[in-house]
Amino acid sequence: QVQLVESGGGVVQPGGSLRLSCAASGFTFSSYGMHWVRQAPGKGLEWVAFIRYDGSNKYYADSVKGRFTISRDNSKNTLYLQMNSLRAEDTAVYYCAKDIGERGPLYYFDYWGQGTLVTVSS
Amino acid sequence: AIRMTQSPSSFSASTGDRVTITCRASQGISSYLAWYQQKPGKAPKLLIYAASTLQSGVPSRFSGSGSGTDFTLTISCLQSEDFATYYCQQYYSYPPLTFGQGTRLEIK
Repeated sequence: QVQLVESGGGVVQPGGSLRLSCAASGFTFSSYGMHWVRQAPGKGLEWVAFIRYDGSNKYYADSVKGRFTISRDNSKNTLYLQMNSLRAEDTAVYYCAKDIGERGPLYYFDYWGQGTLVTVSS
Repeated sequence: AIRMTQSPSSFSASTGDRVTITCRASQGISSYLAWYQQKPGKAPKLLIYAASTLQSGVPSRFSGSGSGTDFTLTISCLQSEDFATYYCQQYYSYPPLTFGQGTRLEIK
């Protein structure tokens, strides 16, 4: 069965950095695009970033562009989100999510991880 | 960016009720719309894609309709496990992918 397990969240000061990981299993990771989606406490869902199955294309939300970097290691079945210059408004649960399209992304999500909480506070 | 607006933001209903949630896009998105269900402390779950196609394993009491700018999610006979927050998401134009603000369905 498909499993996505995020890790790396925690408390960080404003301006700091954090790297999130998402370990994938139960499907051919190297054939699917992957996304990060976040949810601030008590708020709705916000898409953050996407990476194509082979890493050749990446998209970002304007709110994180230039500060966050999405990457993947298909040999380790792992997705990453490097977050720099963190702000209080980046505080959220971060979910990794699998794109439903094999090879060609369809840009909606059929499996999600359980999420990892990032808190940006001094 | 395409703005997605859901209505109502929250409402109460009883088990057995038929309920409808509306999602409106700020511009036409054809049928590039998905619906998700989220329960407290849990990840979202895909219910419907392409505006009206039920994801595998989702009960048939859920249905979706619409195209262009106006969409609906209908639950034909509410069960206790359906009380949750529901989100629509457009995937017609990206980046960014955008969600509605959510509709919280509570027990009356």
